[in-house]
Amino acid sequence: EAGVVQSPRYKIIEKKQPVAFWCNPISGHNTLYWYLQNLGQGPELLIRYENEEAVDDSQLPKDRFSAERLKGVDSTLKIQPAELGDSAVYLCASSLDRVDEQFFGPGTRLTVL
Amino acid sequence: AQSVTQLGSHVSVSEGALVLLRCNYSSSVPPYLFWYVQYPNQGLQLLLKYTSAATLVKGINGFEAEFKKSETSFHLTKPSAHMSDAAEYFCAVSDDWGKFQFGAGTQVVVTP
Repeated sequence: EAGVVQSPRYKIIEKKQPVAFWCNPISGHNTLYWYLQNLGQGPELLIRYENEEAVDDSQLPKDRFSAERLKGVDSTLKIQPAELGDSAVYLCASSLDRVDEQFFGPGTRLTVL
Repeated sequence: AQSVTQLGSHVSVSEGALVLLRCNYSSSVPPYLFWYVQYPNQGLQLLLKYTSAATLVKGINGFEAEFKKSETSFHLTKPSAHMSDAAEYFCAVSDDWGKFQFGAGTQVVVTP
């Protein structure tokens, strides 16, 4: 069974440019998470979906970040415009339901110059 | 609100020695507790989880953790460290609503 797929793995952009990350969760997993991970720190939740519905986006900086999960499967996280402080690893995870084990993708390492 | 505290951002152990990683949590409801491991340039992988069954939980790669409600702790142990255990370890707490909180992580270095 394929795991959580994320692309791209690495992205380097200039500040003020837009960037998008894509995530394909494990088949059948209803819950999808986007996390931000800074170097030497634990993952911090940006947004959690249950099927198509964003049930927790309280930590998502909505002035520049947006996310969608069309048809309750794949998801895209966008930053527009990117700032220097957005440099981090963006992790996607999925689980069967909200209290179950989360399976993580390898992450996208974003560098903003 | 839930929170997780991992004591020690870096731990160095000798190969064959006991590995002990400390995790304390706060939660207003019975928690779900997890330990994850992260190798360089990879996502997190579940080691074990506590979901109110047995208080001693056995995981993969010889790791286990004990839930102690009175101490609000969920420390991770492995009797004998192996070089392949070098990684970063994260403790996490969740509740029935799926609100996950990860600790800051503990980097484990294994010396020959």
